[in-house]
Amino acid sequence: DVKVTQSSRYLVKRTGEKVFLECVQDMDHENMFWYRQDPGLGLRLIYFSYDVKMKEKGDIPEGYSVSREKKERFSLILESASTNQTSMYLCASSLYDRGAFFGQGTRLTVV
Amino acid sequence: EDQVTQSPEALRLQEGESSSLNCSYTVSGLRGLFWYRQDPGKGPEFLFTLYSAGEEKEKERLKATLTKKESFLHITAPKPEDSATYLCAVRMYSGGGADGLTFGKGTHLIIQP
Repeated sequence: DVKVTQSSRYLVKRTGEKVFLECVQDMDHENMFWYRQDPGLGLRLIYFSYDVKMKEKGDIPEGYSVSREKKERFSLILESASTNQTSMYLCASSLYDRGAFFGQGTRLTVV
Repeated sequence: EDQVTQSPEALRLQEGESSSLNCSYTVSGLRGLFWYRQDPGKGPEFLFTLYSAGEEKEKERLKATLTKKESFLHITAPKPEDSATYLCAVRMYSGGGADGLTFGKGTHLIIQP
């Protein structure tokens, strides 16, 4: 079974902090994604990566950056956390055009 | 603008009462349509991929179908454990490498015993 593991289930951070969300997949997938999920807005794509050191902006990249130094690991960085970044963050990976597999999610609260 | 619309937003059924969920899409080139199940507080769980009109996939009480403009998720004789939010997503051609999935807002399904 594909396993996508996010480093934390719950995080509480202060406004202005730099926040790192880590994601690791164990299936040698080329593609990795970061989404956020908010009530009434659904899942929205923040960034994705189709290869090591490659990244593409999604629909809502502002205030975020990403890093993919190794194939199995994709990190989401909030440069200066703000309260409007309080959300559920979901990491996913996929092989080419096949279905994406998601992690369990990180619920981030910025106070 | 490309978009994915799911209906209904919420559906309450009695155990054993079959029904269908709809996902309509307006994309310029479809590379795949995906169905997911999501339980509260958890990440989406992958169910099906459909690539071309006329294709069907089945898993237990669920059957997904695809036309050129929409997909249906048919639920036959559902049980309470089928209660969840069902999400539809599409991946479209954009001329580049991998692209992220565009999700609908989901159908919240409740199956009452």
